Amino acid sequence: DIQMTQSPSSLSASVGDRVTITCRASQSISSYLNWYQQKPGKAPKLLIYAASSLQSGVPSRFSGSGSGTDFTLTISSLQPEDFATYYCQQSYSTPIYTFGPGTKVDIK
Amino acid sequence: EVQLVESGGGLVQPGGSLRLSCAASGFTFSSYEMNWVRQAPGKGLEWVSYISSSGSTIYYADSVKGRFTISRDNAKNSLYLQMNSLRAEDTAVYYCARTEYSGSYYGRGRYFDYWGQGTLVTVSS
Repeated sequence: DIQMTQSPSSLSASVGDRVTITCRASQSISSYLNWYQQKPGKAPKLLIYAASSLQSGVPSRFSGSGSGTDFTLTISSLQPEDFATYYCQQSYSTPIYTFGPGTKVDIK
Repeated sequence: EVQLVESGGGLVQPGGSLRLSCAASGFTFSSYEMNWVRQAPGKGLEWVSYISSSGSTIYYADSVKGRFTISRDNAKNSLYLQMNSLRAEDTAVYYCARTEYSGSYYGRGRYFDYWGQGTLVTVSS
């Protein structure tokens, strides 16, 4: 089974900061990596698919990169509405999917 | 507008059963693969089950295999999750999620582009 890890598990940042979250797979997953944002009490929202493709309607301050086992989600300038938990998900072993444990981004 | 609306959650005793439903609208339901994903209180996301567009191919997470059954009725635009032999560790918000794909349909580029609002299942005596 493919295991996903994320770092850090949480971080504190200020509005306007550049934020980077890392996701690592236990084996190579090529570019089959997605990122989701979840706010408290809400369903997850797709941000990035296929490692670097921005989902329609998602602000361009979000970007994704990486391939193989190491991936990053970057928020170029953190906005108040970006405080949330972020999850990565691998689809290499589709239709069996694995999510990372999440990274909580809160206000410094 | 794509909408996924779950229902059927509630309080159930350990060992009991519950059937969740997900009503889909705003897209051609019969053309899409679907999934159930759950989230225990204060925890992360866990993929639970997958069903192909026709219903002919089904997969489960090891944690629910043999106890949960996914199904769909394309005529009713509905997805279901029959949950039997429920345990305390099954307590979670259950989401249905639509699969979309990038690149070739036969490739691995899948992602969940629409999610329902979730329904809470509590297993407790």
